[in-house]
Amino acid sequence: EVHLVESGGGLVKPGGSLRLSCAASGFTFSSYSMNWVRQAPGKGLEWLSFISSGSIYIYYADSVKGRLTISRDNARNSVFLQMNSLRAEDTAMYYCARDYHDRGYIDSWGQGTLVTVSS
Amino acid sequence: QSALTQPASVSGSPGQSITISCTGTSSDIGGYDFVSWYQQNPGKAPRPMIYDVTKRPSGVSNRFSGSKSGNTASLTISGLQAEDEADYYCSSYTTRSTVIFGGGTKLTVL
Repeated sequence: EVHLVESGGGLVKPGGSLRLSCAASGFTFSSYSMNWVRQAPGKGLEWLSFISSGSIYIYYADSVKGRLTISRDNARNSVFLQMNSLRAEDTAMYYCARDYHDRGYIDSWGQGTLVTVSS
Repeated sequence: QSALTQPASVSGSPGQSITISCTGTSSDIGGYDFVSWYQQNPGKAPRPMIYDVTKRPSGVSNRFSGSKSGNTASLTISGLQAEDEADYYCSSYTTRSTVIFGGGTKLTVL
């Protein structure tokens, strides 16, 4: 069974940084691309970033480009999201999500980690 | 890039059929057959219901079906049940190799 567990969320001040982690299990992690998706309280889903299985291809949403950096460590079955220059509007639940076929279909989701940006 | 356009809410009675639309552009929905639909209950992670416009993941009821015409995709739920009440989101792959979601639709089963 696919299992994705996010960690690293918490309370951070505006302008601060945070690094989210996602530990994967139950599948051959190195064979799958991964995504990060967020959801602000009471709002819809927002796709943030994609990283291919071998880290060759990396894409970001325009809204976060330059502030977020996605990376992965296939030896540790983990994917990361470095978040810098955080703003109040970055407050959201952040989901780690497996990409089924590199064409936008997310077939497995973690339970999310909550990031709150507030002074 | 703006979100795909979905109705904010739809409703139906048990046993009825409802359809949720999702409108994009030729750069996303119209450009590829890579539209997905997700169901989300309060406090839970999204659950995939449809992918590649018409395909159902294992375990999803055949009451759920998807279609696409031009720049608009649709999710139809037939034989509506109380357990179908949830938020539904569409998504599409784009010509920029990114993913775009719809704003979400709240389904109420009357």
